[in-house]
Amino acid sequence: SYELTQPPSVSVSPGQTASITCSGDKLGDKYVCWYQQKPGQSPVLVIYEDTKRPSGIPERFSGSNSENTATLTISGTQAMDEADYYCQAWDSSTLYVFGTGTKVTVL
Amino acid sequence: EVQLVESGGGLVKPGGSLRLSCAASGFTFSSYSMNWVRQAPGKGLEWVSSISSSPTYINSADSLKGRFTISRDNAKNSLYLQMNSLRAEDTAVYYCARVGPGGLYSGSPLDYWGQGTLVTVSS
Repeated sequence: SYELTQPPSVSVSPGQTASITCSGDKLGDKYVCWYQQKPGQSPVLVIYEDTKRPSGIPERFSGSNSENTATLTISGTQAMDEADYYCQAWDSSTLYVFGTGTKVTVL
Repeated sequence: EVQLVESGGGLVKPGGSLRLSCAASGFTFSSYSMNWVRQAPGKGLEWVSSISSSPTYINSADSLKGRFTISRDNAKNSLYLQMNSLRAEDTAVYYCARVGPGGLYSGSPLDYWGQGTLVTVSS
């Protein structure tokens, strides 16, 4: 089955840039999206089709995807961005595959 | 406003059954594919099952096939998950989530999620 691997945690200072990676075999051949989940809340879509932002998502969230790694970048990170982030790719057999998740801490 | 409201969770003994429901509003339910996704306490997201809008296509995680069945009633704007032979490891918050406009087999993201319903399997 297809697997996506993320670092367990990422720390960032307020105003700095946080980068969260998501690794999978030939991931660049698939569309990747990213979800933000704050404690006690449901996931929220923040990036889809590798680079697109849904309406209402701040411009500081951006994404990229190439070869075996997709990256979610949060520029000018704010305290409100502290959350768990999950990447997700679509596979023809297992459909929705989620990454292992990354906890972003804003120090 | 798109709303997805899950219900039906609770405490059930191992080997028992439960039926979850998801009431949809604020969009044309019959035009969208839907999913169930679960999250065990303190763990990550796990895809459970998907159903197309018609519902011609249904798919479920291999580990759950034979125990969990997804269905929908477009006339009632509702999504369901029938869970049988429940095990302790099925304890989780179960979310229903809408597939984006591109549809189930185009790789569309899950653009709206409900608040989730907690299922606890314990004796």
